[in-house]
Amino acid sequence: AQSVTQLGSHVSVSEGALVLLRCNYSSSVPPYLFWYVQYPNQGLQLLLKYTTGATLVKGINGFEAEFKKSETSFHLTKPSAHMSDAAEYFCAVSDLNDMRFGAGTRLTVKP
Amino acid sequence: GAVVSQHPSRVICKSGTSVKIECRSLDFQATTMFWYRQFPKQSLMLMATSNEGSKATYEQGVEKDKFLINHASLTLSTLTVTSAHPEDSSFYICSAPLSGRRETQYFGPGTRLLVL
Repeated sequence: AQSVTQLGSHVSVSEGALVLLRCNYSSSVPPYLFWYVQYPNQGLQLLLKYTTGATLVKGINGFEAEFKKSETSFHLTKPSAHMSDAAEYFCAVSDLNDMRFGAGTRLTVKP
Repeated sequence: GAVVSQHPSRVICKSGTSVKIECRSLDFQATTMFWYRQFPKQSLMLMATSNEGSKATYEQGVEKDKFLINHASLTLSTLTVTSAHPEDSSFYICSAPLSGRRETQYFGPGTRLLVL
């Protein structure tokens, strides 16, 4: 069975500050890991994913995440927040047969 | 990139009526599509897996007779909420994997259902 835990349902940062959204996973097999962004009343947009290979994954809009097997983590970061980054972010884990989503983290960016 | 559309984007209906939501893969074929439900400020919960040419696979706790799924073609899956009640009000999202690969899954924009 797989599961995802996102620490912090709400994160608030100032514009230009570092963004760090935390995600820890549990999986009995090597996981595929994802970060999605959701804007109000819209579907999910893939930010980035880890399947195999390089553990530091770069995505769209300047986001990146690092797969750390020893810590079972896949935290999402962005060096400098932009107002347009304000949204809901979901971490997900998949073993290709099933996909589980975290509860989500709402990112607020203050001017 | 691949696109998945949903129609309608928003629907308001009276209690007791049925509502059909369409999910289309616009530029690729999808033998499998997934239907999720999302309550306000919560994550996505998988409701069912729609399979082209065969019956849908429902997650535990999801009523098959309540949420009818039909995967009519390789680009279209429909979810019908039968005899809708206010507690069915939610955001319904579909997704389709490209080439059947779950790690390349494209999501529709969602359908907001409000049952009065």
